[in-house]
Amino acid sequence: DTGVSQDPRHKITKRGQNVTFRCDPISEHNRLYWYRQTLGQGPEFLTYFQNEAQLEKSRLLSDRFSAERPKGSFSTLEIQRTEQGDSAMYLCASSLLYTETQYFGPGTRLLVL
Amino acid sequence: GEDVEQSLFLSVREGDSSVINCTYTDSSSTYLYWYKQEPGAGLQLLTYIFSNMDMKQDQRLTVLLNKKDKHLSLRIADTQTGDSAIYFCAETSNDYKLSFGAGTTVTVRA
Repeated sequence: DTGVSQDPRHKITKRGQNVTFRCDPISEHNRLYWYRQTLGQGPEFLTYFQNEAQLEKSRLLSDRFSAERPKGSFSTLEIQRTEQGDSAMYLCASSLLYTETQYFGPGTRLLVL
Repeated sequence: GEDVEQSLFLSVREGDSSVINCTYTDSSSTYLYWYKQEPGAGLQLLTYIFSNMDMKQDQRLTVLLNKKDKHLSLRIADTQTGDSAIYFCAETSNDYKLSFGAGTTVTVRA
């Protein structure tokens, strides 16, 4: 296993379009996390899954954002009606249940024009 | 909410030691972490420390934790050009949500 993977690595879209990102966690990792990182800042927690259940969502995750992990393996993050303020790096991480270490993927960099 | 603060920049000469400092406010933090991010890349976990420890050493890396002052530091011995990156301090008081500082940009000069 080569670690957490994310696709695409880069996405440029026009304001108002919908985008979807995919994250494949490390095999057998029960937990999967989404973070957002804007320029010059550290990552901010968005949401996390334990197996297929979404257990917490940050207030940063507006109604335009939806995340799924239907089979408890890969996850998707969809942003509807994108806005310029959505431009950021979207990072995915995974971990085993009740462990202290999260392993991050390379991120998807989104630019909304 | 939790606040984690770091100095923004550090310049160090190759071969010297680097010390990156971090302060946090959440007294219930259980684990504290150091991550490294190179340009355009994701975050690489460097090391972490449990809150009941005050020091952890891992090869060139030494983490010091002063829980009373809520101060965490990362020392990199014999700093190399490949150590140039952004270093993030993070903490958690549960087992799922990491709170990060804004990152310290370390520049290693020859």
